[in-house]
Amino acid sequence: EAGVAQSPRYKIIEKRQSVAFWCNPISGHATLYWYQQILGQGPKLLIQFQNNGVVDDSQLPKDRFSAERLKGVDSTLKIQPAKLEDSAVYLCASSPVQGAETQYFGPGTRLLVL
Amino acid sequence: AQSVTQLDSQVPVFEEAPVELRCNYSSSVSVYLFWYVQYPNQGLQLLLKYLSGSTLVESINGFEAEFNKSQTSFHLRKPSVHISDTAEYFCAVSLSGGYQKVTFGTGTKLQVIP
Repeated sequence: EAGVAQSPRYKIIEKRQSVAFWCNPISGHATLYWYQQILGQGPKLLIQFQNNGVVDDSQLPKDRFSAERLKGVDSTLKIQPAKLEDSAVYLCASSPVQGAETQYFGPGTRLLVL
Repeated sequence: AQSVTQLDSQVPVFEEAPVELRCNYSSSVSVYLFWYVQYPNQGLQLLLKYLSGSTLVESINGFEAEFNKSQTSFHLRKPSVHISDTAEYFCAVSLSGGYQKVTFGTGTKLQVIP
């Protein structure tokens, strides 16, 4: 079974630029999550999708962050414009219908904003 | 809202010595508890979880954790660590039931010294 795929693995941009991250969850997983992990901290949930609907986006900075999950499969997270404090690892995770309490994480995208 | 506290940011330990990584949680309702492990440059992997039933849960690589409701703790232990256990360990909590938001602690870096 293939794991959660994320791309790119690394990205360096300048502040005020835009960036997008892509995630393909494990096949058949209905729930998809995006987390932000700042150095030295635990992952913080940005947004949770159930199929292609948003379940929780209470911690998503909506003035600059957006996410979509068209067709209920893969997902894109966008930052526009980026700030220095957005430098972090962005983790995507998915969970199955059976055993929904367990999340399976991708390798993450490491973003550096200069 | 639930929260989790990991008091130790770093734990150095000699190879073959025992180790305990501490985790305390806060919640007024029934919870699920998790330990995730993150090896360098990799995503998080589930190590073990407590959902219900026996308060002692074990992983396949020798770690165990005990759910202690009276002390609101879920400490992770291993009687004899190996070099390959060097990683960052995250305690996490969610409300019981599927598709609940998971809150992560700040992580504990386990450094096994040969």
